Amino acid sequence: GAVVSQHPSWVICKSGTSVKIECRSLDFQATTMFWYRQFPKQSLMLMATSNEGSKATYEQGVEKDKFLINHASLTLSTLTVTSAHPEDSSFYICSAAQGARNTIYFGEGSWLTVV
Amino acid sequence: QKEVEQNSGPLSVPEGAIASLNCTYSDRGSQSFFWYRQYSGKSPELIMFIYSNGDKEDGRFTAQLNKASQYVSLLIRDSQPSDSATYLCAVNSGGSNYKLTFGKGTLLTVNP
Repeated sequence: GAVVSQHPSWVICKSGTSVKIECRSLDFQATTMFWYRQFPKQSLMLMATSNEGSKATYEQGVEKDKFLINHASLTLSTLTVTSAHPEDSSFYICSAAQGARNTIYFGEGSWLTVV
Repeated sequence: QKEVEQNSGPLSVPEGAIASLNCTYSDRGSQSFFWYRQYSGKSPELIMFIYSNGDKEDGRFTAQLNKASQYVSLLIRDSQPSDSATYLCAVNSGGSNYKLTFGKGTLLTVNP
């Protein structure tokens, strides 16, 4: 079946640094990918919609200058958390829509810890 | 504001019983509905999707959709301890952008 892969699975970074997370669709092309954030014991919160070849669409309250999204190809979207702070520590998950099956698959998620 | 509501649980059932998970949504224009299972510390995995009113069965899982009542449910027959997880209901309100709105999830515990 369709597979969406994220990298890294977990990362620890120092406060003030930037971290990049990659999301790849492995066996299908995804013109649209989504980035979510999930805090412990809470549901997934959509951060932004990543569109191949165009600017991402951010949800209300999400700082676009802090969470940079680049969807440079049909199989890759990246999320860069800039000037990370401890409150950015969370589980970041991407998903990709497979149009042929009209379904949405999630990546494995990336745990970010900012110290 | 589009909302998806789920009973947070926890829902506890004995092994072999039927677990019933419920979800309501506010956007009457919603077109597709998904159930995901999420184990602690892991990413959600797709269990089922349903688009039309009625029942859809896949193995031990049955999704039920009632658009008039804006209600979707998931039944798990012969529940197993490995089914213990948080179950997320997600709704796509249409269009080609596949944007999902998630409920907060229901924690299911299946007791051996």
